Amino acid sequence: GAGVSQSPSNKVTEKGKDVELRCDPISGHTALYWYRQRLGQGLEFLIYFQGNSAPDKSGLPSDRFSAERTGESVSTLTIQRTQQEDSAVYLCASSSYPGQTEFGQGTRLTVV
Amino acid sequence: GIQVEQSPPDLILQEGANSTLRCNFSDSVNNLQWFHQNPWGQLINLFYIPSGTKQNGRLSATTVATERYSLLYISSSQTTDSGVYFCAVHTNFGNEKLTFGTGTRLTIIP
Repeated sequence: GAGVSQSPSNKVTEKGKDVELRCDPISGHTALYWYRQRLGQGLEFLIYFQGNSAPDKSGLPSDRFSAERTGESVSTLTIQRTQQEDSAVYLCASSSYPGQTEFGQGTRLTVV
Repeated sequence: GIQVEQSPPDLILQEGANSTLRCNFSDSVNNLQWFHQNPWGQLINLFYIPSGTKQNGRLSATTVATERYSLLYISSSQTTDSGVYFCAVHTNFGNEKLTFGTGTRLTIIP
């Protein structure tokens, strides 16, 4: 079956613009995660959804970052007024309970 | 929150060698997973192993939950095994973020 799908694969944006990143999880997976990975670094937790609610938003770096999930399916991560330090790969993952967590291929965001 | 430490941070081996990667965690866990991030950045789930031992080809993993560690064994290493290996844990089923370890960067030399 289809895995976790993220779009776009690559995004180059000008500083100050807003961007929206999309994640389509595996069908039936109730949990959905967003992580950020800077070049050569580990995975930085951003936000977690269980169904459509987000019990843990503790990782969002600032109020410029927001995320939503609808229909217990697709999720979008929005970054407003992008800054150069937002440049990174944004990874989405989904899992069922209990079960393995599967990752998408990531969106590489470059802010110029 | 829970701390997840991996060792060694870096490992360089000749093709054909065996290796053992370790994951220590600071609190009880209900879910432990091992991932391989290949040189292109894709994260692949290797094992879902909250306890016990599992094997998949040249790879095997053991988690001793009571002693708060897990081991990943790679036998007869191949160049395609190169990349970063992460362990990740949940402390509460279905209601908490998946916390990742610091990673082990493995380089296999032909």
